[in-house]
Amino acid sequence: QVTLRESGPALVKPTQTLTLTCTFSGFSLSTSGMCVSWVRQPPGKALEWLALIDWDDDKYYSTSLKTRLTISKDTSKNQVVLTMTNMDPVDTATYYCARGDYGDYARLDLWGRGTLVTVSS
Amino acid sequence: QPVLTQPTSLSASPGASARFTCTLRSGINVGTYRIYWYQQKPGSLPRYLLRYKSDSDKQQGSGVPSRFSGSKDASTNAGLLLISGLQSEDEADYYCAIWYSSTVVFGGGTKLTVL
Repeated sequence: QVTLRESGPALVKPTQTLTLTCTFSGFSLSTSGMCVSWVRQPPGKALEWLALIDWDDDKYYSTSLKTRLTISKDTSKNQVVLTMTNMDPVDTATYYCARGDYGDYARLDLWGRGTLVTVSS
Repeated sequence: QPVLTQPTSLSASPGASARFTCTLRSGINVGTYRIYWYQQKPGSLPRYLLRYKSDSDKQQGSGVPSRFSGSKDASTNAGLLLISGLQSEDEADYYCAIWYSSTVVFGGGTKLTVL
């Protein structure tokens, strides 16, 4: 059974750096073709893709946010970590991680339940 | 202009069909891209429904009923999601997505009301 679970702080202050961890099971990021994406959704708004890392350690970032984002993986722990710098209240959102497929990166077939991050002083 | 444009809302009756559009920005040819569709019910996480590029390049998500299908309208440069035999449980937000310029791009979503 494939599962993904996001973890991280529920509240961060403006200008701080957010670090989120996606812990998954049922697949390995050392397996050819596997990848994990991060997607966020502000309350009442649309989905917004943030970043992706694949089994070969290739990384892709949202054009509008790439200067603030870093994605990395720890294959031994089955984890993917996303950091976002210089947080702002507009970054308040539910952050999801999701499994994808090489060559089919936009096919996010399994999602974590998401973690709500509020940015406020 | 956004890469993907979706109507904000759509209403249909139970048992009827619903047709969602996902229009690609001028200059981005729908024929070139796989269009992905997601469903998100209130308070729930997104669910992958299907992928459509052509009749020979399409995929249904695991457990997704066949009454959900994809298509394209080249004349309007749009990807389409079709739902037949609407049920009250289909009431949700529907998002399209593509892999564009080495990023995943989502549309703004369409809220389906089944009334």
